[in-house]
Amino acid sequence: GDSVTQMEGPVTLSEEAFLTINCTYTATGYPSLFWYVQYPGEGLQLLLKATKADDKGSNKGFEATYRKETTSFHLEKGSVQVSDSAVYFCALSEAGGGADGLTFGKGTHLIIQP
Amino acid sequence: SQTIHQWPATLVQPVGSPLSLECTVEGTSNPNLYWYRQAAGRGLQLLFYSVGIGQISSEVPQNLSASRPQDRQFILSSKKLLLSDSGFYLCAWSVSRAYSPLHFGNGTRLTVT
Repeated sequence: GDSVTQMEGPVTLSEEAFLTINCTYTATGYPSLFWYVQYPGEGLQLLLKATKADDKGSNKGFEATYRKETTSFHLEKGSVQVSDSAVYFCALSEAGGGADGLTFGKGTHLIIQP
Repeated sequence: SQTIHQWPATLVQPVGSPLSLECTVEGTSNPNLYWYRQAAGRGLQLLFYSVGIGQISSEVPQNLSASRPQDRQFILSSKKLLLSDSGFYLCAWSVSRAYSPLHFGNGTRLTVT
């Protein structure tokens, strides 16, 4: 079946550092890929998405490129802020998966220190 | 624009008591609806999903049930809560189309004492 693997953390960085959160996936077909962010005590918010190979999703300074050859969708940001502290989830959706939602990774807890 | 409302935000219930969590979506028709649970420090577990009124699919056998009495209303229930039911419950919706993202509510923090 489909699966998503991401580092669980916590990942601790200093403000203005470069961020990479790795995400790799296993899928039988050609999925769409997503990154979600969850701030403390809140629901998940869609951060960015990509629907085909070499697409780059971007939002709020975050970027991720759909790499079919390496089955990866790593999240990057050039200069993180304390307000970026949150849990980040990588997820995929396959058309053949029916209506049963997305397949999520276990989430990466990011802590940014001032 | 579409919005999703989930309530209550927090709930403390004794073991053995009933549960009812409600979720409604506005601004869209015939959405797919979902209930997820997030245990402390862990990932997301899909509990139920629904593609239409009265149509419920269960992913994990457990002490919980779901119902969809109206197109944009999704209810999570239990007759008798267990300690293990504690967690953060998230409702979500998506359009009924392949590759669609999920849109989440703000969640309900349930503590069973």
